[in-house]
Amino acid sequence: NAGVTQTPKFRILKIGQSMTLQCAQDMNHNYMYWYRQDPGMGLKLIYYSVGAGITDKGEVPNGYNVSRSTTEDFPLRLELAAPSQTSVYFCASSSRGGNTEAFFGQGTRLTVV
Amino acid sequence: QQPVQSPQAVILREGEDAVINCSSSKALYSVHWYRQKHGEAPVFLMILLKGGEQKGHEKISASFNEKKQQSSLYLTASQLSYSGTYFCGTADSSYKLIFGSGTRLLVRP
Repeated sequence: NAGVTQTPKFRILKIGQSMTLQCAQDMNHNYMYWYRQDPGMGLKLIYYSVGAGITDKGEVPNGYNVSRSTTEDFPLRLELAAPSQTSVYFCASSSRGGNTEAFFGQGTRLTVV
Repeated sequence: QQPVQSPQAVILREGEDAVINCSSSKALYSVHWYRQKHGEAPVFLMILLKGGEQKGHEKISASFNEKKQQSSLYLTASQLSYSGTYFCGTADSSYKLIFGSGTRLLVRP
């Protein structure tokens, strides 16, 4: 069972570059989330989606964009990367939003230099 | 608004008990508890839905006071494997799942 798959696992980006963090789930979950976790800190919600075609901002959306064209995929786009975006990014999914368990991917460790 | 967790850190001897608290200023539909080991993804422990339900999982249990918008995680007879950072997550009517800043737990032999 794959669950939630994130790619890449590691990435070093130069200031001003752009990239897309991929997230895919094979559990047919409607709800998907993107979080960032800075060293020694908690999880901050960037964006979330309640189904294909529907996305909404979380706590820290600035500098990021998302799209949800299919149930399975929820990519996170970083435009004009900045050192402040150095973090570990986690994608998660759940079947019924906050009422059910969230399954997390293994994370993408991003460094912006 | 991010839920508030306390304490920020706890150090225990193996076999001791601990309580981790989580509170929110917003009306909640559910409270989640996760544990994260260093360098790994958070792992689900349990979820509590509104209704004051208490759940248990071996020696780890939790309660949810819907009226006070508070939850507590109870760790009894702690084991070395309990070490890690514990996060509470809260969900409101918008289905946003947001997390507290975490409680670091260290269990020593």
